[in-house]
Amino acid sequence: EAGVTQFPSHSVIEKGQTVTLRCDPISGHDNLYWYRRVMGKEIKFLLHFVKESKQDESGMPNNRFLAERTGGTYSTLKVQPAELEDSGVYFCASSGTVKNIQYFGAGTRLSVL
Amino acid sequence: QKEVEQDPGPLSVPEGAIVSLNCTYSNSAFQYFMWYRQYSRKGPELLMYTYSSGNKEDGRFTAQVDKSSKYISLFIRDSQPSDSATYLCAMSGNSGGYQKVTFGTGTKLQVIP
Repeated sequence: EAGVTQFPSHSVIEKGQTVTLRCDPISGHDNLYWYRRVMGKEIKFLLHFVKESKQDESGMPNNRFLAERTGGTYSTLKVQPAELEDSGVYFCASSGTVKNIQYFGAGTRLSVL
Repeated sequence: QKEVEQDPGPLSVPEGAIVSLNCTYSNSAFQYFMWYRQYSRKGPELLMYTYSSGNKEDGRFTAQVDKSSKYISLFIRDSQPSDSATYLCAMSGNSGGYQKVTFGTGTKLQVIP
């Protein structure tokens, strides 16, 4: 069974540009989560989808971040325009309907210069 | 004050030693307690998962949860160089079973051959 996959693995952009991160959850997992880890800090929650609906987006830092999950399958996280403080590793996780266990992808390392 | 406190280490032990990793937390609503292992440039990998208080053993790994003290531990017996990684404690509540996960900062462990 394929795990959670994220694209790209690494992205380097300049301040003011737009970047879109993609996450493919484990097949059949209705719950999809985005997290972020900035340098020296703990991994922090951004938002949670149940199928295509946003269940909790309390962790989204500001309106420069837009997450979508059209059709309830893969999800994208767009940062527009990117700022220096957006640099970090963005993780996606998914969970099924039986257990509250989240499986993580390898992450996308975003560097904003 | 952070909801989850974890000593970042680094922790260096000789091969074969027993390793003790710990976290404290402040939110009494946490019901699910997890330990993730993260190798460099990889995503967090779920190691152990415990619901409420008690002990859970899986091979060389034992997880303990003491909700009265708000303290969780992970013990690694007969540590191996392949155990060298960052260990993240994580926890979540029980609102419908799908609450966001709150992480500690992680403890970096090095097992020396």
